[in-house]
Amino acid sequence: GESVGLHLPTLSVQEGDNSIINCAYSNSASDYFIWYKQESGKGPQFIIDIRSNMDKRQGQRVTVLLNKTVKHLSLQIAATQPGDSAVYFCAETPGGGADGLTFGKGTHLIIQP
Amino acid sequence: GAGVSQTPSNKVTEKGKYVELRCDPISGHTALYWYRQSLGQGPEFLIYFQGTGAADDSGLPNDRFFAVRPEGSVSTLKIQRTERGDSAVYLCASSPRRENTEAFFGQGTRLTVV
Repeated sequence: GESVGLHLPTLSVQEGDNSIINCAYSNSASDYFIWYKQESGKGPQFIIDIRSNMDKRQGQRVTVLLNKTVKHLSLQIAATQPGDSAVYFCAETPGGGADGLTFGKGTHLIIQP
Repeated sequence: GAGVSQTPSNKVTEKGKYVELRCDPISGHTALYWYRQSLGQGPEFLIYFQGTGAADDSGLPNDRFFAVRPEGSVSTLKIQRTERGDSAVYLCASSPRRENTEAFFGQGTRLTVV
């Protein structure tokens, strides 16, 4: 069935380096995507979103890129900090007021000192 | 409170028992969502409320699962005849409107069925 998934389960980067987390999706009807950060024992926390009419969106230290041709989404985190260590999920919704989000499995980002 | 509150934070129950999980959304949020998250997985959508009504319950796995939101605020997820496979973290999220962009999640209830 159609689903959202991630390429790498674990990503380890040095503190201060940039990190890139990837996500592949297969639902061609998806028109809205969100990245969430989840720390241990906590609920997901919204980071950044992007709609399908855009290919790039920037926030504070984070950038989301969307490539609809290959159905690929990425999250770039600049100058990683220890507090960035968490599991990152991409999620999608078909839009049009659709209700539930479909989450991928997640990537565990580890920041090495 | 300032955020979404879920109680209890942990619940251990015996197989076959009935459990209720409570969610207190952010005040004024009309949309409320329940998700289930198994270890090492992303959250899985269960049910969505807009006000008092369940607008979308397509994610509920079977008829042992039921949720209510009688006054459009607090919601209760009810699981009958619990099974070991029901063990997971149950997350609640609320939003001031239907779009997911402003959905805030609670910390979840960790349910363990023994």
